[in-house]
Amino acid sequence: NAGVTQTPKFQVLKTGQSMTLQCAQDMNHNSMYWYRQDPGMGLRLIYYSASEGTTDKGEVPNGYNVSRLNKREFSLRLESAAPSQTSVYFCASREGQGNVFKHFGDGTRLSIL
Amino acid sequence: KQEVTQIPAALSVPEGENLVLNCSFTDSAIYNLQWFRQDPGKGLTSLLLIQSSQREQTSGRLNASLDKSSGRSTLYIAASQPGDSATYLCAVPTSTDSWGKLQFGAGTQVVVTP
Repeated sequence: NAGVTQTPKFQVLKTGQSMTLQCAQDMNHNSMYWYRQDPGMGLRLIYYSASEGTTDKGEVPNGYNVSRLNKREFSLRLESAAPSQTSVYFCASREGQGNVFKHFGDGTRLSIL
Repeated sequence: KQEVTQIPAALSVPEGENLVLNCSFTDSAIYNLQWFRQDPGKGLTSLLLIQSSQREQTSGRLNASLDKSSGRSTLYIAASQPGDSATYLCAVPTSTDSWGKLQFGAGTQVVVTP
């Protein structure tokens, strides 16, 4: 089925460990996004990639890095995880500027101890 | 900075009652407003998109209105069903660009009891 696939679905890390969250879409979309969702808060944009080869910071980029590996894949890396990064991370994609957001992954639930 | 507020944070209604969900935003210069549904442990599902030039958008039992001048949108769900139980979020693009920098509300958690 076409859509946005995130891996892993769950992860527990210790403070200071690193990890990469993977996101892939098979709809040939240009734009991809990483959001985080914390209890009682809406989703907040971490980074986005308007097109292959470009990335830009969102509202809460500190402590994260991203890579737009190709048109399909957009990864999010935590170099040195901190408890404040405990959250649910969502990847999304869309065709281009101004279009409706229709495609979100099911999320990665990340706990940092 | 655009701020989006959804009140109430939670709502419980008996089956068959109409649902009214509110969304407020501080900057009226929006391109559009989108309503989403989120089921537990899942991503977001797009319900409706209202363009800034529209006052209303309908899909089945769902109807969303937009009043830019007052900075408000309302999502109506007619004749609620237990399957409507979910968290509903609204989001608007930030006023400075339309590259998907959506500003989300915190959501309204809805429970429809049989």
